[in-house]
Amino acid sequence: DTEVTQTPKHLVMGMTNKKSLKCEQHMGHRAMYWYKQKAKKPPELMFVYSYEKLSINESVPSRFSPECPNSSLLNLHLHALQPEDSALYLCASSRLSGDTEAFFGQGTRLTVV
Amino acid sequence: AQSVTQLDSQVPVFEEAPVELRCNYSSSVSVYLFWYVQYPNQGLQLLLKYLSGSTLVKGINGFEAEFNKSQTSFHLRKPSVHISDTAEYFCAVIGGATNKLIFGTGTLLAVQP
Repeated sequence: DTEVTQTPKHLVMGMTNKKSLKCEQHMGHRAMYWYKQKAKKPPELMFVYSYEKLSINESVPSRFSPECPNSSLLNLHLHALQPEDSALYLCASSRLSGDTEAFFGQGTRLTVV
Repeated sequence: AQSVTQLDSQVPVFEEAPVELRCNYSSSVSVYLFWYVQYPNQGLQLLLKYLSGSTLVKGINGFEAEFNKSQTSFHLRKPSVHISDTAEYFCAVIGGATNKLIFGTGTLLAVQP
């Protein structure tokens, strides 16, 4: 199984809502990542978890709150988002942090209204 | 710090023609180089990677890339493209102390019949 599974595929939320994005992998990878991708732009790194601990936060606003409950799961909790936060959110995993191959999920298309 | 430059934002090409997508990197240390493909509304899929050894790297879907240290380039080539190759292609680098995957701005390969 070389899949990274993200749910939901699409999400529309209001600016006062609280929602969560979920990411799951069963490859035994110990590093997991959240990226944000705006239209026609490259993915931008948001967070890195290594061995279930947050190792990198790329100065992401606190309205985005990551969580890694176990080695297979990665969540991104969303609260009080702005319309400019609308984007494709990609999860990825690799064997170890900085490893030479990252596997990406299909992404969650988020629209903030 | 590492960076990646993809000078061509879009490359139109006719079906069955050859194509080259250009990528240049800058780094003062050894790097690992990657090409990822992103089909519309999808996540990223690794096409190929250069870690060390032979400078000609073969990947999936008939793509190959050549690492040229003197020109700091890692151009992607395919001798004959198909309509199904229409996608966004990202060059990326890992290197130095950060171990982060840094993406170029992407090149849209538009294959026309």
